Amino acid sequence: NAGVTQTPKFRVLKTGQSMTLLCAQDMNHEYMYWYRQDPGMGLRLIHYSVGEGTTAKGEVPDGYNVSRLKKQNFLLGLESAAPSQTSVYFCASTRTGGRGYTFGSGTRLTVV
Amino acid sequence: GENVEQHPSTLSVQEGDSAVIKCTYSDSASNYFPWYKQELGKGPQLIIDIRSNVGEKKDQRIAVTLNKTAKHFSLHITETQPEDSAVYFCAASIPNYGGSQGNLIFGKGTKLSVKP
Repeated sequence: NAGVTQTPKFRVLKTGQSMTLLCAQDMNHEYMYWYRQDPGMGLRLIHYSVGEGTTAKGEVPDGYNVSRLKKQNFLLGLESAAPSQTSVYFCASTRTGGRGYTFGSGTRLTVV
Repeated sequence: GENVEQHPSTLSVQEGDSAVIKCTYSDSASNYFPWYKQELGKGPQLIIDIRSNVGEKKDQRIAVTLNKTAKHFSLHITETQPEDSAVYFCAASIPNYGGSQGNLIFGKGTKLSVKP
């Protein structure tokens, strides 16, 4: 039982490049989330999904897109990376809202 | 919307001492309050949680207290050990109805250092 798996673990992008971060969970959770973590800023919600085929904006959605085509996967896309998107990205999932989340181990992204 | 404030941002204690981290929340409808521990290079891990119908909850050396009237909750770690060194996050969520999805709102974290 792997829990929440994020790929890749590290990535360096040049400004303007695009990439997709993959989150996969094997717990049959309905809700999935993407957060970014920056020093002194805590965890900020980018986008989330309350079920297969649904997505919604969080606190800091600009510059990101997401898709939830399969219940177990939640993809985060950066269409044109900017240095301000240098961060550690965490995916999380939970059975329903109002419960504790299970987090992945994170993706460290550097945009140069 | 909900806002969660967490204090202190850094905390240093001697091994064996107690550590207390405090959080306040703004929305009186919030009813679920988890605490997470994040070790270096890892994702946050749920260590204890409490719901609004309970005032205190303990799990071995850690405990959480909730004061709904004052809208604050605290994490207490007793007999601290070096392996308790980590960043701790509090969070709050409002019920999953009326447009809310029960999303967790996190505090900005407390870096706890336990000195041997």
